Amino acid sequence: KNQVEQSPQSLIILEGKNCTLQCNYTVSPFSNLRWYKQDTGRGPVSLTIMTFSENTKSNGRYTATLDADTKQSSLHITASQLSDSASYICVVSASSSASKIIFGSGTRLSIRP
Amino acid sequence: KAGVTQTPRYLIKTRGQQVTLSCSPISGHRSVSWYQQTPGQGLQFLFEYFSETQRNKGNFPGRFSGRQFSNSRSEMNVSTLELGDSALYLCASRYAGDGDTQYFGPGTRLTVL
Repeated sequence: KNQVEQSPQSLIILEGKNCTLQCNYTVSPFSNLRWYKQDTGRGPVSLTIMTFSENTKSNGRYTATLDADTKQSSLHITASQLSDSASYICVVSASSSASKIIFGSGTRLSIRP
Repeated sequence: KAGVTQTPRYLIKTRGQQVTLSCSPISGHRSVSWYQQTPGQGLQFLFEYFSETQRNKGNFPGRFSGRQFSNSRSEMNVSTLELGDSALYLCASRYAGDGDTQYFGPGTRLTVL
């Protein structure tokens, strides 16, 4: 069964600290993996996209890694800011159809001043 | 370039009623997908339209339907509303294929009383 599991479910850190969010998947065949940021009451916004051959991708203070062998991905946030408070969703695509896009349940990140 | 827009942003209905939600994709995007997001289930795929044709469908009852117009705008209809239909309904557009990033709208918050 195609699944995407994220951990932790929620996380609270102090402003300026780093953090790492985890994503494990069992989606097959694998096409690509995306990380989205979703602010409260808003639609998700794409942060990074990685295909099978890519093992790291950066977008400013966000760095995503992918280990296709162990089917694990992580999103590392450096020098967190209050505006990083949001839900981070890992999304794995199994094929070219939208119905094969499997969403993780997300990690709720709160940054405290 | 304008982003994905959804109307209305908020909606309150009672059980048994029907509702129509609207989505205008980014100009030039031909694919529109709809998702339901609830706290317990996360994001779930409803259906995808491409060039006025339903390309994929998720595992939702027939009360959920949609259509796409020649200008790529899309509507989603839910008939005979149930309490469990209360959710954030997100629309996402992309140019065409799986390699294209999906851009989400702000969503329509539907509350069924």
